[in-house]
Amino acid sequence: GAGVSQSPSNKVTEKGKDVELRCDPISGHTALYWYRQSLGQGLEFLIYFQGNSAPDKSGLPSDRFSAERTGGSVSTLTIQRTQQEDSAVYLCASSLARGGGTDTQYFGPGTRLTVL
Amino acid sequence: AQKVTQAQTEISVVEKEDVTLDCVYETRDTTYYLFWYKQPPSGELVFLIRRNSFDEQNEISGRYSWNFQKSTSSFNFTITASQVVDSAVYFCAPSSTSGTYKYIFGTGTRLKVLA
Repeated sequence: GAGVSQSPSNKVTEKGKDVELRCDPISGHTALYWYRQSLGQGLEFLIYFQGNSAPDKSGLPSDRFSAERTGGSVSTLTIQRTQQEDSAVYLCASSLARGGGTDTQYFGPGTRLTVL
Repeated sequence: AQKVTQAQTEISVVEKEDVTLDCVYETRDTTYYLFWYKQPPSGELVFLIRRNSFDEQNEISGRYSWNFQKSTSSFNFTITASQVVDSAVYFCAPSSTSGTYKYIFGTGTRLKVLA
């Protein structure tokens, strides 16, 4: 079946502009995660959705970052007034959320964001 | 809080050599899961294995094997007879059994397999 998809695959923007990154999870996966991977860094957790709710937003680096999920499916990560330090690959993952930590997260190909 | 250390930033081996990637984790959870992912140059993370903290049996899958030692909080990954296609960044990540089950990733180990 189809995996996690993300769009766009690449985004170049100017400092100060807003950007929206989209994630389409695997059908039926109720849990959705956003991570960020900066150059030479590991993956940094940003936000977790269970259905349309976000019980864990602890990784969002500033109030310029926000995310929503609608219909228990598609999620959008929005970065307002982008800064150069926002340049990174943004990865989305989804899982079945069966609980107990048994879930395997399946990752999308990522969106590479470059802020000039 | 959980933490993972992959001390080897980059490893280079010649094709057909065996290579072991180290992973040391910290967790206060009594029950947890450990994962390994591969990130090839294309960028997409590929799931390799999931292991729960109750199961200390080593696992082998083809050329891949994993050695989990709870006593030393290590979950090491060995590739036997490495191939050029194994070149990638490999991430180890613990996940708790409560809360959001988010992964705590380290900085990964970049493996270069030279022909």
